[in-house]
Amino acid sequence: AQTVTQSQPEMSVQEAETVTLSCTYDTSENNYYLFWYKQPPSRQMILVIRQEAYKQQNATENRFSVNFQKAAKSFSLKISDSQLGDTAMYFCAFRTTEYGNKLVFGAGTILRVKS
Amino acid sequence: KAGVTQTPRYLIKTRGQQVTLSCSPISGHRSVSWYQQTPGQGLQFLFEYFSETQRNKGNFPGRFSGRQFSNSRSEMNVSTLELGDSALYLCASSVDRNMNTQYFGPGTRLTVL
Repeated sequence: AQTVTQSQPEMSVQEAETVTLSCTYDTSENNYYLFWYKQPPSRQMILVIRQEAYKQQNATENRFSVNFQKAAKSFSLKISDSQLGDTAMYFCAFRTTEYGNKLVFGAGTILRVKS
Repeated sequence: KAGVTQTPRYLIKTRGQQVTLSCSPISGHRSVSWYQQTPGQGLQFLFEYFSETQRNKGNFPGRFSGRQFSNSRSEMNVSTLELGDSALYLCASSVDRNMNTQYFGPGTRLTVL
Protein backbone atom coordinates (compact mmCIF):
# COMPACT_ATOMS: atom_id res chain seq x y z
CA ALA A 1 0.00 0.00 0.00
CA GLN A 2 1.09 3.50 -0.73
CA THR A 3 1.92 5.79 2.17
CA VAL A 4 2.72 9.48 2.38
CA THR A 5 4.68 10.98 5.25
CA GLN A 6 4.92 14.63 6.21
CA SER A 7 7.36 14.82 9.08
CA GLN A 8 6.80 18.47 10.00
CA PRO A 9 3.50 18.94 11.87
CA GLU A 10 3.97 22.71 12.11
CA MET A 11 6.22 25.33 10.59
CA SER A 12 6.42 29.08 10.67
CA VAL A 13 8.10 31.61 8.41
CA GLN A 14 8.47 35.35 8.27
CA GLU A 15 6.69 37.23 5.56
CA ALA A 16 8.79 37.51 2.36
CA GLU A 17 11.09 34.66 3.36
CA THR A 18 11.35 31.18 1.85
CA VAL A 19 10.16 27.96 3.44
CA THR A 20 10.37 24.30 2.42
CA LEU A 21 7.84 21.65 3.40
CA SER A 22 8.92 18.02 3.30
CA CYS A 23 7.10 14.97 1.97
CA THR A 24 8.20 11.41 1.41
CA TYR A 25 6.18 8.57 -0.02
CA ASP A 26 6.39 4.86 -0.47
CA THR A 27 5.27 2.99 -3.56
CA SER A 28 6.32 0.24 -5.91
CA GLU A 29 4.62 1.95 -8.83
CA ASN A 30 6.63 3.60 -11.56
CA ASN A 31 3.95 5.87 -12.98
CA TYR A 32 2.13 8.21 -10.64
CA TYR A 33 1.27 11.80 -9.80
CA LEU A 34 2.17 13.85 -6.75
CA PHE A 35 0.28 16.89 -5.51
CA TRP A 36 0.45 19.61 -2.94
CA TYR A 37 -2.88 20.90 -1.73
CA LYS A 38 -3.45 23.86 0.55
CA GLN A 39 -6.31 24.05 3.05
CA PRO A 40 -6.75 27.51 4.60
CA PRO A 41 -8.99 28.13 7.62
CA SER A 42 -11.98 28.21 5.26
CA ARG A 43 -11.35 24.44 4.80
CA GLN A 44 -11.50 24.74 1.00
CA MET A 45 -8.91 22.36 -0.44
CA ILE A 46 -6.93 24.19 -3.13
CA LEU A 47 -4.50 22.63 -5.57
CA VAL A 48 -1.08 24.26 -5.30
CA ILE A 49 1.06 22.23 -7.67
CA ARG A 50 1.34 18.81 -9.26
CA GLN A 51 4.19 16.68 -10.57
CA GLU A 52 4.11 13.79 -13.01
CA ALA A 53 6.53 11.07 -11.97
CA TYR A 54 7.74 10.50 -15.53
CA LYS A 55 8.88 14.13 -15.82
CA GLN A 56 12.36 14.86 -14.54
CA GLN A 57 11.82 18.60 -14.55
CA ASN A 58 10.53 19.99 -11.27
CA ALA A 59 7.15 21.68 -11.45
CA THR A 60 6.80 25.38 -10.67
CA GLU A 61 3.76 27.63 -10.22
CA ASN A 62 4.69 31.25 -9.56
CA ARG A 63 6.12 31.36 -6.01
CA PHE A 64 5.66 27.61 -5.52
CA SER A 65 8.11 25.01 -6.72
CA VAL A 66 8.89 21.40 -5.92
CA ASN A 67 12.03 19.35 -5.51
CA PHE A 68 11.10 15.92 -6.83
CA GLN A 69 13.62 13.18 -6.14
CA LYS A 70 12.12 9.99 -7.58
CA ALA A 71 14.82 7.61 -6.44
CA ALA A 72 14.63 8.97 -2.91
CA LYS A 73 10.81 9.10 -3.07
CA SER A 74 10.90 12.67 -1.87
CA PHE A 75 8.66 15.54 -2.93
CA SER A 76 9.25 18.82 -1.09
CA LEU A 77 7.44 22.12 -1.63
CA LYS A 78 9.30 25.42 -1.63
CA ILE A 79 7.36 28.62 -1.10
CA SER A 80 9.27 31.76 -2.00
CA ASP A 81 8.42 35.30 -0.89
CA SER A 82 5.93 33.95 1.67
CA GLN A 83 2.73 35.93 2.08
CA LEU A 84 0.24 36.10 4.93
CA GLY A 85 -2.30 34.42 2.67
CA ASP A 86 -0.07 31.35 2.48
CA THR A 87 -1.02 30.53 6.08
CA ALA A 88 -2.77 27.17 5.81
CA MET A 89 -2.50 23.43 6.25
CA TYR A 90 -0.52 21.91 3.41
CA PHE A 91 -1.14 18.33 2.31
CA CYS A 92 1.08 16.20 0.15
CA ALA A 93 -0.90 13.66 -1.88
CA PHE A 94 -0.08 10.69 -4.07
CA ARG A 95 -2.00 9.02 -6.85
CA THR A 96 -1.28 6.02 -9.07
CA THR A 97 -2.98 4.41 -12.01
CA GLU A 98 -3.59 1.31 -9.93
CA TYR A 99 -6.41 2.74 -7.87
CA GLY A 100 -7.98 5.24 -10.26
CA ASN A 101 -9.03 8.49 -8.68
CA LYS A 102 -7.87 7.71 -5.19
CA LEU A 103 -5.59 10.19 -3.47
CA VAL A 104 -3.47 9.10 -0.53
CA PHE A 105 -2.75 12.06 1.72
CA GLY A 106 -0.08 12.82 4.24
CA ALA A 107 -1.01 14.06 7.71
CA GLY A 108 -0.42 17.67 6.73
CA THR A 109 1.86 20.52 7.79
CA ILE A 110 0.45 23.65 9.37
CA LEU A 111 2.28 26.66 7.95
CA ARG A 112 2.04 30.00 9.72
CA VAL A 113 3.35 33.10 7.96
CA LYS A 114 4.22 35.86 10.42
CA SER A 115 4.33 39.58 9.71
CA LYS B 1 -16.66 27.51 -14.91
CA ALA B 2 -18.34 27.05 -11.58
CA GLY B 3 -16.40 24.96 -9.11
CA VAL B 4 -17.44 21.83 -7.26
CA THR B 5 -20.46 22.50 -5.10
CA GLN B 6 -21.56 20.57 -2.05
CA THR B 7 -24.82 20.75 -0.15
CA PRO B 8 -25.57 21.20 2.60
CA ARG B 9 -22.53 22.97 4.01
CA TYR B 10 -23.39 22.14 7.61
CA LEU B 11 -25.47 19.39 9.10
CA ILE B 12 -26.29 18.29 12.62
CA LYS B 13 -27.74 14.84 13.21
CA THR B 14 -28.22 12.51 16.14
CA ARG B 15 -26.91 8.99 16.57
CA GLY B 16 -28.87 6.38 14.67
CA GLN B 17 -30.15 8.76 12.02
CA GLN B 18 -29.13 8.66 8.39
CA VAL B 19 -27.83 11.47 6.22
CA THR B 20 -27.43 12.22 2.51
CA LEU B 21 -24.81 14.60 1.19
CA SER B 22 -24.77 15.95 -2.34
CA CYS B 23 -21.96 16.91 -4.71
CA SER B 24 -22.18 18.62 -8.09
CA PRO B 25 -18.93 18.34 -10.06
CA ILE B 26 -17.40 20.91 -12.35
CA SER B 27 -19.19 20.95 -15.69
CA GLY B 28 -17.67 18.32 -17.97
CA HIS B 29 -16.13 16.34 -15.14
CA ARG B 30 -17.32 12.76 -14.97
CA SER B 31 -15.41 11.36 -12.03
CA VAL B 32 -16.41 12.13 -8.45
CA SER B 33 -14.52 11.02 -5.37
CA TRP B 34 -15.43 11.40 -1.72
CA TYR B 35 -13.10 11.86 1.25
CA GLN B 36 -13.61 12.02 4.98
CA GLN B 37 -11.48 14.41 7.02
CA THR B 38 -11.18 14.08 10.80
CA PRO B 39 -8.57 15.39 13.25
CA GLY B 40 -7.64 11.87 14.29
CA GLN B 41 -7.54 10.00 10.97
CA GLY B 42 -6.77 12.85 8.61
CA LEU B 43 -8.00 12.62 5.03
CA GLN B 44 -9.29 9.22 4.00
CA PHE B 45 -10.68 8.07 0.69
CA LEU B 46 -14.27 6.87 0.79
CA PHE B 47 -15.17 5.98 -2.79
CA GLU B 48 -15.03 7.02 -6.42
CA TYR B 49 -17.79 7.12 -9.00
CA PHE B 50 -17.46 7.29 -12.76
CA SER B 51 -20.19 6.76 -15.35
CA GLU B 52 -22.70 6.05 -12.59
CA THR B 53 -20.62 3.13 -11.30
CA GLN B 54 -18.59 2.82 -8.14
CA ARG B 55 -15.04 2.22 -9.31
CA ASN B 56 -13.15 2.22 -6.07
CA LYS B 57 -13.95 1.97 -2.38
CA GLY B 58 -11.97 2.84 0.71
CA ASN B 59 -11.89 0.97 3.97
CA PHE B 60 -15.19 2.11 5.43
CA PRO B 61 -18.14 0.07 6.73
CA GLY B 62 -21.16 -0.67 4.61
CA ARG B 63 -23.07 2.12 6.36
CA PHE B 64 -21.30 4.43 3.93
CA SER B 65 -22.69 4.27 0.43
CA GLY B 66 -23.05 6.48 -2.58
CA ARG B 67 -24.32 6.81 -6.07
CA GLN B 68 -23.83 8.88 -9.19
CA PHE B 69 -26.46 10.16 -11.55
CA SER B 70 -26.38 10.48 -15.33
CA ASN B 71 -25.47 14.18 -15.03
CA SER B 72 -22.41 13.17 -12.92
CA ARG B 73 -23.86 14.59 -9.71
CA SER B 74 -23.16 12.33 -6.77
CA GLU B 75 -24.66 11.65 -3.40
CA MET B 76 -23.26 9.83 -0.43
CA ASN B 77 -25.34 8.33 2.32
CA VAL B 78 -24.42 7.36 5.82
CA SER B 79 -26.91 5.21 7.71
CA THR B 80 -27.15 4.56 11.44
CA LEU B 81 -24.92 7.48 12.28
CA GLU B 82 -22.29 7.12 14.99
CA LEU B 83 -20.50 9.83 16.94
CA GLY B 84 -17.30 8.94 15.09
CA ASP B 85 -18.90 9.89 11.77
CA SER B 86 -18.58 13.55 12.72
CA ALA B 87 -16.24 14.93 10.08
CA LEU B 88 -15.74 17.19 7.13
CA TYR B 89 -16.82 15.31 4.00
CA LEU B 90 -15.07 16.49 0.87
CA CYS B 91 -16.06 15.79 -2.68
CA ALA B 92 -13.61 16.08 -5.56
CA SER B 93 -14.17 15.93 -9.30
CA SER B 94 -11.93 15.32 -12.27
CA VAL B 95 -12.42 15.07 -16.01
CA ASP B 96 -11.99 11.31 -16.06
CA ARG B 97 -9.98 8.56 -14.40
CA ASN B 98 -6.77 8.99 -16.36
CA MET B 99 -4.27 10.82 -14.22
CA ASN B 100 -6.26 14.00 -14.06
CA THR B 101 -6.15 16.47 -11.25
CA GLN B 102 -8.97 16.39 -8.73
CA TYR B 103 -10.65 19.65 -7.71
CA PHE B 104 -12.32 19.82 -4.35
CA GLY B 105 -15.58 21.29 -3.16
CA PRO B 106 -15.93 23.31 0.06
CA GLY B 107 -17.06 20.27 2.04
CA THR B 108 -20.00 19.38 4.25
CA ARG B 109 -19.39 19.60 7.98
CA LEU B 110 -21.37 16.80 9.64
CA THR B 111 -21.82 16.81 13.40
CA VAL B 112 -23.35 13.77 15.06
CA LEU B 113 -24.73 14.32 18.57
